Amino acid sequence: GAGVSQSPRYKVAKRGQDVALRCDPISGHVSLFWYQQALGQGPEFLTYFQNEAQLDKSGLPSDRFFAERPEGSVSTLKIQRTQQEDSAVYLCASSPGTAYNQPQHFGDGTRLSIL
Amino acid sequence: GDSVTQMEGPVTLSEEAFLTINCTYTATGYPSLFWYVQYPGEGLQLLLKATKADDKGSNKGFEATYRKETTSFHLEKGSVQVSDSAVYFCALPSGGYNKLIFGAGTRLAVHP
Repeated sequence: GAGVSQSPRYKVAKRGQDVALRCDPISGHVSLFWYQQALGQGPEFLTYFQNEAQLDKSGLPSDRFFAERPEGSVSTLKIQRTQQEDSAVYLCASSPGTAYNQPQHFGDGTRLSIL
Repeated sequence: GDSVTQMEGPVTLSEEAFLTINCTYTATGYPSLFWYVQYPGEGLQLLLKATKADDKGSNKGFEATYRKETTSFHLEKGSVQVSDSAVYFCALPSGGYNKLIFGAGTRLAVHP
């Protein structure tokens, strides 16, 4: 069955460029999360959507990071004026509802490299 | 705040050896606990979970027991296979929106 799909799988950009990362969650999933995973580390929370509403963006590291989910399905994470420290794997996850303790389903991630 | 601490890797084992990966946590209340696995080049997959104290989660020969008294959720497998080589993450939900807090991950390498 269709899982969480992320694109592109790999993205190389020069410092200062803007990038956009796409996430297609499992159809009908209400909750959508973005995480950042640095090399050799566990994922760290960036932001959370419940349908189209962004309810938590406390993990976004700076105002260069922006996420949206305008129709409550596909989400885009945008990074403006990229810097080398933005290099990481960006993971998207979704879950069916909002119940506490529901497992999250992850995509394969987008590996972002900033030169 | 809530946190998860895992034993450092890499863990290198021979096929059919016994595996333990330690995980301890600090949390408000008694959240569910999860183990996720990340195979090379892939995203995270849920391996097992436990929702309350003394629960044992199990899947694919892996087990972990939610120990409230020691705030631990150690992952075990009696006989590992080469195909179990991956990075294992312990995690718990935190905050009002179920965001996951992960440990740093433990890389397991199993040799024939």
